[in-house]
Amino acid sequence: DVKVTQSSRYLVKRTGEKVFLECVQDMDHENMFWYRQDPGLGLRLIYFSYDVKMKEKGDIPEGYSVSREKKERFSLILESASTNQTSMYLCASSFTTYEQYFGPGTRLTVT
Amino acid sequence: GENVEQHPSTLSVQEGDSAVIKCTYSDSASNYFPWYKQELGKGPQLIIDIRSNVGEKKDQRIAVTLNKTAKHFSLHITETQPEDSAVYFCAAGDTGRRALTFGSGTRLQVQP
Repeated sequence: DVKVTQSSRYLVKRTGEKVFLECVQDMDHENMFWYRQDPGLGLRLIYFSYDVKMKEKGDIPEGYSVSREKKERFSLILESASTNQTSMYLCASSFTTYEQYFGPGTRLTVT
Repeated sequence: GENVEQHPSTLSVQEGDSAVIKCTYSDSASNYFPWYKQELGKGPQLIIDIRSNVGEKKDQRIAVTLNKTAKHFSLHITETQPEDSAVYFCAAGDTGRRALTFGSGTRLQVQP
């Protein structure tokens, strides 16, 4: 079974803090993705990576950056957290464009 | 870019009834249409998908239909059970884009 793990299930941070969300997959997938999930808006793509050190902006990259130094690990960075970044963050990985496997999510609250 | 619209946002059915969720997409280049189920406290999980060279696909109580001309696709769940209660997401993608575009989700509640 594919396993995608995220470093925290719940996180509370203060405005202005730098926040790191980490994601690890164990299936040697090339592609990894970061989404945020908000009620009524579905899943919106923040960034994705199709290879180590490669990244592409998704639909809502502003205020976020990513890092992929190893194939199995994809980190999402909030350089200076703001209250409008309070959300559920979901990581996913896939071998092709098609079937994506999701982690359990990190619920981030910025106060 | 691609835009996926999903309806309804909430759906309540009686156990044993059928449920239908509909999605439309805008980019005619999209050729892959998955459906994900998200249970409380978990990440979305793929339940069925369809590619553009197929009009319908079934897997036990769930089926998906695709109308490429009209750019819409639907999820059908028959003989619903309480464990079908979850949020369902449709999505659209193609190999050139590498990523999926998701709909806004449908919260399905199956009343026992």
